[in-house]
Amino acid sequence: EIVMTQSPATLSVSPGERATLSCRASQSVSSSLAWYQQKPGQAPRLLIYRASTRATGIPARFSGSGSGTEFTLTISSLQSEDFAVYYCQQYINWPPAFTFGPGTKVDIK
Amino acid sequence: EVQLVESGGGLVQPGGSLRLSCAASGFTFSNYWMTWVRPAPGKGLEWVANIKQDGSEKYYVDSAKGRFTISRDNAKNLLYLQMNSLRAEDTAVYYCARIAFRDRYFDYWGQGTLVTVSS
Repeated sequence: EIVMTQSPATLSVSPGERATLSCRASQSVSSSLAWYQQKPGQAPRLLIYRASTRATGIPARFSGSGSGTEFTLTISSLQSEDFAVYYCQQYINWPPAFTFGPGTKVDIK
Repeated sequence: EVQLVESGGGLVQPGGSLRLSCAASGFTFSNYWMTWVRPAPGKGLEWVANIKQDGSEKYYVDSAKGRFTISRDNAKNLLYLQMNSLRAEDTAVYYCARIAFRDRYFDYWGQGTLVTVSS
């Protein structure tokens, strides 16, 4: 099973600042990586797929990079609506399994 | 507009059963793999099960094998998750999601339905 880890667990950022979130895979997933955002009481929302492609309707301040085992989600200038939990997910190892990282919570500094 | 609406959650005793449903609209349901996902303590989100467009392939996370059954009714645009022998650790919000066409990330999610397993 491919294990996904994320760091930091919590990131405290002021509005307008840049946030950099990391995701690491226990073995190469090539570019088969997605990022999701989840706000309290809401469903997860797809932000990035294929490591760096923004999903429909996602603002340009969100960007993804990386390949293989190391990935980064960058939010260039945090807005109030961006405070949430962010999950990475690998999907190369399918079928049968997808795995998610434990998440990074971005909160207000 | 793509919509996924889950239902069927509730309170059930350990060892009991529950069937979740997910009503899909706004897209051609029969063209997509579908999946169920739940949060897992300390692990973020946990993929639970997938089903192919025609129902001919199904996959489960190890903890669900032998207890949960995923199915679909393409005529009614419905996805199901039959959950038997429920345990306290199955307590979670269960989300259905669509797997992107010709790809494997989850592009649309429902709002979830809460399952609570407790005596």
